[in-house]
Amino acid sequence: EAGVAQSPRYKIIEKRQSVAFWCNPISGHATLYWYQQILGQGPKLLIQFQNNGVVDDSQLPKDRFSAERLKGVDSTLKIQPAKLEDSAVYLCASSLRTTYEQYFGPGTRLTVT
Amino acid sequence: QKEVEQNSGPLSVPEGAIASLNCTYSDRGSQSFFWYRQYSGKSPELIMSIYSNGDKEDGRFTAQLNKASQYVSLLIRDSQPSDSATYLCAVLNTGFQKLVFGTGTRLLVSP
Repeated sequence: EAGVAQSPRYKIIEKRQSVAFWCNPISGHATLYWYQQILGQGPKLLIQFQNNGVVDDSQLPKDRFSAERLKGVDSTLKIQPAKLEDSAVYLCASSLRTTYEQYFGPGTRLTVT
Repeated sequence: QKEVEQNSGPLSVPEGAIASLNCTYSDRGSQSFFWYRQYSGKSPELIMSIYSNGDKEDGRFTAQLNKASQYVSLLIRDSQPSDSATYLCAVLNTGFQKLVFGTGTRLLVSP
């Protein structure tokens, strides 16, 4: 069974530029999550989708971050404009249902200069 | 009070010893608990889940849960240098079904 796919793996941008990350969950997984992990910290949930609907986006900085999951499969997370403090690893995870085990993709390491 | 607390470590153990990793949580209604292993530069990998009080064993790993004390632990028997990683405790928040992570405990297993 293929795991969670993410791209790109690495991205370097200047502050105020925009960036987008893509995620393809494990086949059949209805729930998709985007996390931000800053060095030395645990992952922090940004947004959670159940199929193509948003379940929780309470920690998503909506003035600069946006995410969508059209057709209930792939998802895109966008940052516009980026700030220095957005430098982190962005992890996508998926699970069969909301309360089931979550499996993570390889992540995208973002550096904002 | 943090929602999920872990000692950041590092926890150093010799090869072959038992490593004991601990985690406390604040949401008394939490029902689902997970341990993830994260190697440096890699993403978290699920190694154990536990939902009921008591012990759950899987190979060299044993997860222990005590809901009354709001405490969950992970034991690694016969520790190997390849077990050296950061271990993240995660608790499913009852209100919004959100997984909350601790900051992780770094484990170092010396040959």
